[in-house]
Amino acid sequence: EVQLVESGGDLVQPGGSLRLSCTVSEFTFSNYWMTWVRQAPGKGLEWVGSIKEDGTEKYYVDSVKGRFTISRDNTKNSLYLQMNSLRAEDTAVYYCARGRTGTYWGQGTLVTVSS
Amino acid sequence: DVVMTQSPLSLPVTLGQPASISCRSSQSLVYSDGNTYLNWFQQRPGQSPRRLIYRASNRDSGVPDRFSGSGSGTDFTLKISRVEAEDVGVYYCMQAIYWPGTFGQGTKVEIK
Repeated sequence: EVQLVESGGDLVQPGGSLRLSCTVSEFTFSNYWMTWVRQAPGKGLEWVGSIKEDGTEKYYVDSVKGRFTISRDNTKNSLYLQMNSLRAEDTAVYYCARGRTGTYWGQGTLVTVSS
Repeated sequence: DVVMTQSPLSLPVTLGQPASISCRSSQSLVYSDGNTYLNWFQQRPGQSPRRLIYRASNRDSGVPDRFSGSGSGTDFTLKISRVEAEDVGVYYCMQAIYWPGTFGQGTKVEIK
């Protein structure tokens, strides 16, 4: 069974940094684009960014450009989201998803930005 | 950015009755390969989203056949032929042809 497990969510102060991880199993990770999507409390889904199979292409929503970086380690079946200069509006559950269109999703990890 | 507009945003439905959700994109979602890249997701209360439909009309594995997707270009529809209690949740359309990917605002389906 395909699995995606996010981790790393935490309470962080405004201006702080956090690194999320997504570890996958039961599919060939290196064959797929991967995507991060977030959901603020009580709100809808927001696409954050995607990374190509080999990591050579990355795309981000404007609100996180220059602050967030997506990376991956195909030897470890892992996807990452480095989040810097965090703001209150970044508070959300962060999901990783397989592919550009989210065939499978993880359970999410909560990031809270607050002083 | 491509704007995805859903309607209605709230949809009370009687059990066993049909339901229909509309999604409109600000640009055509027909790609150069001829396929239409529009996806539908279901998010049940307290759960992660789950993709139901890809490329506008293809059901994902395990999705009941009471769910169907249709449309082309910029206008799309998700239909539930007979709503069941387990269908309660929020439904989103989403495009990933253009960067950044974008979701509709979500349509909340509830039982009357």
